[in-house]
Amino acid sequence: ETGVTQSPTHLIKTRGQQVTLRCSSQSGHNTVSWYQQALGQGPQFIFQYYREEENGRGNFPPRFSGLQFPNYSSELNVNALELDDSALYLCASSLAVAGRYNEQFFGPGTRLTVL
Amino acid sequence: GNSVTQMEGPVTLSEEAFLTINCTYTATGYPSLFWYVQYPGEGLQLLLKATKADDKGSNKGFEATYRKETTSFHLEKGSVQVSDSAVYFCALSGASGSARQLTFGSGTQLTVLP
Repeated sequence: ETGVTQSPTHLIKTRGQQVTLRCSSQSGHNTVSWYQQALGQGPQFIFQYYREEENGRGNFPPRFSGLQFPNYSSELNVNALELDDSALYLCASSLAVAGRYNEQFFGPGTRLTVL
Repeated sequence: GNSVTQMEGPVTLSEEAFLTINCTYTATGYPSLFWYVQYPGEGLQLLLKATKADDKGSNKGFEATYRKETTSFHLEKGSVQVSDSAVYFCALSGASGSARQLTFGSGTQLTVLP
């Protein structure tokens, strides 16, 4: 069984640029959640995707957007990067069945640095 | 809204010492409660969980009991090892529409010295 994988591992961008982060969910999972973890802080929920639709969103501006594909993998896109976007971005996958959500399994994260 | 307040660190202990990391929460309804661990350079791993009041979660010698009356979920271990050095996060999962998002505390850095 393959766990949650994320790419790239590290990324350096400059302010104003756009970035795309990728996540492959664990086999058998149909739900992907994205979290932002600033240095020294706990992860903050960005949004969740279920069956290719956004299924809940945290307190993040619209320049944070995402996609989920038919194979349940996902992308996180951030436009107009700001210095405060520098963080570890974590993807988590889980299995939702009949409205019940099971344990979230996390990937190793993508470290984004904005200069 | 939901929130988690976690004991501030860092915490430094000697090997075989007793560990307690305090966690309290605010939530509507009946959340599920979790402890996650993050080793250096890695993502989060679920350590233990409890889904209803008075449940005790346990794993690898760690324990936590879901106390609804005190809205707490304190993490304990009777004898820590150097390999337990990591950052520990308390989290809750409550329904927000149909999403099952996790709300995390700020984390507690634990260092265990030999």
